[in-house]
Amino acid sequence: QKEVEQDPGPLSVPEGAIVSLNCTYSNSAFQYFMWYRQYSRKGPELLMYTYSSGNKEDGRFTAQVDKSSKYISLFIRDSQPSDSATYLCAMSSLGNRDDKIIFGKGTRLHILP
Amino acid sequence: DARVTQTPRHKVTEMGQEVTMRCQPILGHNTVFWYRQTMMQGLELLAYFRNRAPLDDSGMPKDRFSAEMPDATLATLKIQPSEPRDSAVYFCASGSGRGLEQYFGPGTRLTVT
Repeated sequence: QKEVEQDPGPLSVPEGAIVSLNCTYSNSAFQYFMWYRQYSRKGPELLMYTYSSGNKEDGRFTAQVDKSSKYISLFIRDSQPSDSATYLCAMSSLGNRDDKIIFGKGTRLHILP
Repeated sequence: DARVTQTPRHKVTEMGQEVTMRCQPILGHNTVFWYRQTMMQGLELLAYFRNRAPLDDSGMPKDRFSAEMPDATLATLKIQPSEPRDSAVYFCASGSGRGLEQYFGPGTRLTVT
């Protein structure tokens, strides 16, 4: 079983729709969960990070972590064409003895005008 | 506007040649990461430093790759000798503290023929 699984897509949705992006993981040592956005031929940029379980909201973005199910989600409300990018989840135990950071392979998202 | 800079942006070289990639982290950041991104493997952590000390380089092929931080403003990644399978985009990222909030550079696109 891979440590982090993420559907590669592409995922195409109409402008204004709610987008749901997800990752599953297998290592229970992960405590920090991140979402990055990567535009074509650019470096990833951090959107949000959360610690442990729960929800975190920032504008149109909501990150959700369910550690019991080892499942994390990113929701995008009122999606815009500028949201078209690849979204990578990442998980980490950085700062603990077993330092590790693992990225998902990313989901390509297309918002259709 | 503080940014991570990487040089060169593009590099084409022949198999067997030495390749050196450089990264200037954001001033004041004490954690530096090197990643490699390919379509097949996604984003892989190669090595990371905190306060210039290497903390983890388990993702790096030791026989040909080396990473160093000669000073706080410069990180280097060397490949010697290079092989076609090293063709990828190499990203540097920096952060402060535990490095959970990472800022990525624009990447070096390496092609080994």
